[in-house]
Amino acid sequence: NAGVTQTPKFRVLKTGQSMTLLCAQDMNHEYMYWYRQDPGMGLRLIHYSVGEGTTAKGEVPDGYNVSRLKKQNFLLGLESAAPSQTSVYFCASSEIEPRGDGYTFGSGTRLTVV
Amino acid sequence: RKEVEQDPGPFNVPEGATVAFNCTYSNSASQSFFWYRQDCRKEPKLLMSVYSSGNEDGRFTAQLNRASQYISLLIRDSKLSDSATYLCVVKMNTNAGKSTFGDGTTLTVKP
Repeated sequence: NAGVTQTPKFRVLKTGQSMTLLCAQDMNHEYMYWYRQDPGMGLRLIHYSVGEGTTAKGEVPDGYNVSRLKKQNFLLGLESAAPSQTSVYFCASSEIEPRGDGYTFGSGTRLTVV
Repeated sequence: RKEVEQDPGPFNVPEGATVAFNCTYSNSASQSFFWYRQDCRKEPKLLMSVYSSGNEDGRFTAQLNRASQYISLLIRDSKLSDSATYLCVVKMNTNAGKSTFGDGTTLTVKP
């Protein structure tokens, strides 16, 4: 039972390069999210999706784009990487509200921008 | 003021101790509450949901006080394996399931 799978697990980018992080879930969850976590800080929501073909901005969306062409996949793109985007990125999925279930997280992507 | 606030700790306790964490939230319309556990360099994992009546899971007890807008987590008989960061999470059910995470409280249980 894979749950939520993120690829890649690690990546080093040079400033200005672009990349895409992939998140895949096999639980048929409607909602998917991208968070970033910086040292000593909580998780901050970048973008989220409430279903296939939909996306919305979270708390810190600047510099990122997302797409949800298939229900099971949620892609996070960095258009032109900056050192400030060095972080650990977590993808999560959840059931539709109002069941109020918690999230299932992927194992994270550690990104360093030099 | 942050929407969800936790005492960052660290809490350093001996094995067998009882330790309690508190978390306050600012939005009175919040509906769902959770405690997550995050081990070093790992993803957060759901520890337990927090219900209005309070709930217990083995050595862990969660309480919710809506009037005072705080959530608590009590760990009894601490084990070395309880060492982790504990994240308080508050969710508004009407807001596309988006959750607000506290910054976490770090617990170290020592022999």
